Amino acid sequence: QKEVEQNSGPLSVPEGAIASLNCTYSDRGSQSFFWYRQYSGKSPELIMSIYSNGDKEDGRFTAQLNKASQYVSLLIRDSQPSDSATYLCAVKFSGGYQKVTFGTGTKLQVIP
Amino acid sequence: DVKVTQSSRYLVKRTGEKVFLECVQDMDHENMFWYRQDPGLGLRLIYFSYDVKMKEKGDIPEGYSVSREKKERFSLILESASTSQTSMYLCASSLGFTGWNTEAFFGQGTRLTVV
Repeated sequence: QKEVEQNSGPLSVPEGAIASLNCTYSDRGSQSFFWYRQYSGKSPELIMSIYSNGDKEDGRFTAQLNKASQYVSLLIRDSQPSDSATYLCAVKFSGGYQKVTFGTGTKLQVIP
Repeated sequence: DVKVTQSSRYLVKRTGEKVFLECVQDMDHENMFWYRQDPGLGLRLIYFSYDVKMKEKGDIPEGYSVSREKKERFSLILESASTSQTSMYLCASSLGFTGWNTEAFFGQGTRLTVV
């Protein structure tokens, strides 16, 4: 069974701090990695995608991928109360069709 | 903007009923998915479809079936609803076999309660 693991949290950070969210996955051949944000009672929405090793930055968000360690992370700089949500890591495993497997999510709380 | 629309936001059904959940997308996406989301278990894939009339089982297909007669529409069917199927159901769509980008766009979700 191919798996995606996340710490469920909650992760609490003060406003203005850096929030670091982590995700590990079991399939070494995985190629595509995604971070989704889900507000309470809402659907997930894509905030970052990353396909190659290293960092990818988009505004206050940075995704980091290390395929050798099978590890992907999301950094949120200058965290705001509006960033409080559950963050889902998703991985497209090697082979098969275009479907992704989601982790259970990490709940982030940004304290004003 | 991509729009994925689910037919109901909230639904209450009785045990043993046949339940239909409908999903429509307007971006000509090849792939469509049905997930259920439960606290502590995350999003789990029930079924997906990569083309009209084509379907593949996901991780938890038992007790469910699907139908895709038109590209834009993907239906989830609970053959005989049980209380264990009380959950949030999310439909999603994505582009087909084009590169590595498999970004999924989600509908607003259907909160199904089986009593």
